[in-house]
Amino acid sequence: AQSVTQLGSHVSVSEGALVLLRCNYSSSVPPYLFWYVQYPNQGLQLLLKYTSAATLVKGINGFEAEFKKSETSFHLTKPSAHMSDAAEYFCAVSLMNTGFQKLVFGTGTRLLVSP
Amino acid sequence: GAGVSQSPSNKVTEKGKDVELRCDPISGHTALYWYRQSLGQGLEFLIYFQGNSAPDKSGLPSDRFSAERTGGSVSTLTIQRTQQEDSAVYLCASSLEQGAEAFFGQGTRLTVV
Repeated sequence: AQSVTQLGSHVSVSEGALVLLRCNYSSSVPPYLFWYVQYPNQGLQLLLKYTSAATLVKGINGFEAEFKKSETSFHLTKPSAHMSDAAEYFCAVSLMNTGFQKLVFGTGTRLLVSP
Repeated sequence: GAGVSQSPSNKVTEKGKDVELRCDPISGHTALYWYRQSLGQGLEFLIYFQGNSAPDKSGLPSDRFSAERTGGSVSTLTIQRTQQEDSAVYLCASSLEQGAEAFFGQGTRLTVV
């Protein structure tokens, strides 16, 4: 079965600093990988997804993530944090094959951005 | 519809009462998920429907929880004899096919008093 580990329940950065949110996955077959963002009192919104095309995936709001099979990682980055990036971020994995497979989410990382 | 719709957006109920939460997925989406998010917590998987297959109920926390999906579209999550620990935001999501990205509704905030 697939699983996702997000290291760090909270990450704090200063405005303008690099954002790095870590995600490692476990999967017996090639995965689909996703990052979602949840702003306060809102539902989840898809940031970006990896589905076996380019390993570097660009998403909305300047975020990007790189799929590294050798490290089983899919870390989310943004070169320069904005105050508006403060939110909860969830990594998720699914499988690239047929069968009854569901999305599995990590426990989330809360990003705090200080002025 | 344009997105996943959940109703009600807020529900306050007395302990011991039954509640029904509704989810209207995006038209044509074959997969439907229910998740629970307690205050400050991550997403807790509850149940997953995919097409006409038997649902994956492995995340339901107790037999007080049940869900159905009629006609492959609308889904209802039912919680019987609600308890205070059931208080949470219940999120529904749908996806076009299994493995594809899921689109989330705004959630139903359930408060058991």
